[in-house]
Amino acid sequence: AQSVTQLDSHVSVSEGTPVLLRCNYSSSYSPSLFWYVQHPNKGLQLLLKYTSAATLVKGINGFEAEFKKSETSFHLTKPSAHMSDAAEYFCVVSLGNNAGNMLTFGGGTRLMVKP
Amino acid sequence: DTGVSQDPRHKITKRGQNVTFRCDPISEHNRLYWYRQTLGQGPEFLTYFQNEAQLEKSRLLSDRFSAERPKGSFSTLEIQRTEQGDSAMYLCASSNPGLPTGELFFGEGSRLTVL
Repeated sequence: AQSVTQLDSHVSVSEGTPVLLRCNYSSSYSPSLFWYVQHPNKGLQLLLKYTSAATLVKGINGFEAEFKKSETSFHLTKPSAHMSDAAEYFCVVSLGNNAGNMLTFGGGTRLMVKP
Repeated sequence: DTGVSQDPRHKITKRGQNVTFRCDPISEHNRLYWYRQTLGQGPEFLTYFQNEAQLEKSRLLSDRFSAERPKGSFSTLEIQRTEQGDSAMYLCASSNPGLPTGELFFGEGSRLTVL
């Protein structure tokens, strides 16, 4: 079984300050982990992915995440928030050998960016 | 636009009616997925197809839900005898085996409201 817990349902930051969105996972197998972003009235978009290569993963728009097996965490960070980063972010786990890419999503974290 | 398209974008229906949603995947993608997203939650997997074969359907929520992909191109998701609890966003995504595991392309969704 696999599951994902996003520790904060809402995060509010000021523009130009760092962003930290927290995610813990549970998986019986070596997982693949992802962050997806959902802007209002837009489809979900892949932000970045970890698939057992480098533990520090860089994604689009300056986001990155670090896989920490000992902590079963995959937190998403960005050094400096921009207004356009305001969106819903989902941490996602997939079994590496999962036929069909069946993804398990966390509950989401809504990021608000204040001017 | 050659992304995943879904139709209709919004559907309001009365309890007990049947509804059908259509998904057109990215043309070169042979895998197609349906997810459901309720308010404040992350998407949950329903079913997926590889070409015309439905390879996983155990997660469909009840026998009122069914999906087809008769020619391996577009897909339909039908909900019979709708209930108020079916109100949600229904998301379609596509991918192909050449893409990394977990990298799905999502449509903007079909929002269902059951009165």
